[in-house]
Amino acid sequence: ETGVTQTPRHLVMGMTNKKSLKCEQHLGHNAMYWYKQSAKKPLELMFVYSLEERVENNSVPSRFSPECPNSSHLFLHLHTLQPEDSALYLCASSQADRDTSPLHFGNGTRLTVT
Amino acid sequence: AQSVTQLGSHVSVSEGALVLLRCNYSSSVPPYLFWYVQYPNQGLQLLLKYTTGATLVKGINGFEAEFKKSETSFHLTKPSAHMSDAAEYFCAVSGSNTGNQFYFGTGTSLTVIP
Repeated sequence: ETGVTQTPRHLVMGMTNKKSLKCEQHLGHNAMYWYKQSAKKPLELMFVYSLEERVENNSVPSRFSPECPNSSHLFLHLHTLQPEDSALYLCASSQADRDTSPLHFGNGTRLTVT
Repeated sequence: AQSVTQLGSHVSVSEGALVLLRCNYSSSVPPYLFWYVQYPNQGLQLLLKYTTGATLVKGINGFEAEFKKSETSFHLTKPSAHMSDAAEYFCAVSGSNTGNQFYFGTGTSLTVIP
């Protein structure tokens, strides 16, 4: 399997649930990202992990908790979400020590909070 | 600070007509520039990128873009639109002066009319 894989593709959860989004990259990259894409809004950077250390937070609410156990895997743990958190969550990877390296995206997880 | 402006959130062209999607950036130094395409329910896919060298860059699916430093622009073109080109297109910048962070435009939705 190649590229960036995200699971699940679709997720419906209640506001009191706890769930996790998973991302795996097979590109040998050393940086991974979580983006939120909402309708009619610009792409929002949520978290960046470079060499497995979080380097950017962007004031994301604490109900979103990232985890990066190694350079190939990235998780986004979700708990007590709000309906406005419904969006497409995109994972991406890049080679952090090459400033010309583009982002490579997964197909996203479509999250609906009821 | 970096910013990216995509003029026209919606563009419609007839099949076979020229496609022109506009992107302007603000940067104190020449950045690295990217165009991504997003099909429904998918992630962003890299179309092309400019880092250094030739200012006319060719990408996938017959698209190309020209970096014009004097105009701080990186417009995306395709000589003849195909129905399969209907998608959302995003311009992005990064570079060593951005801490290798990516800045995205708000996207342009392309409709191709048969």
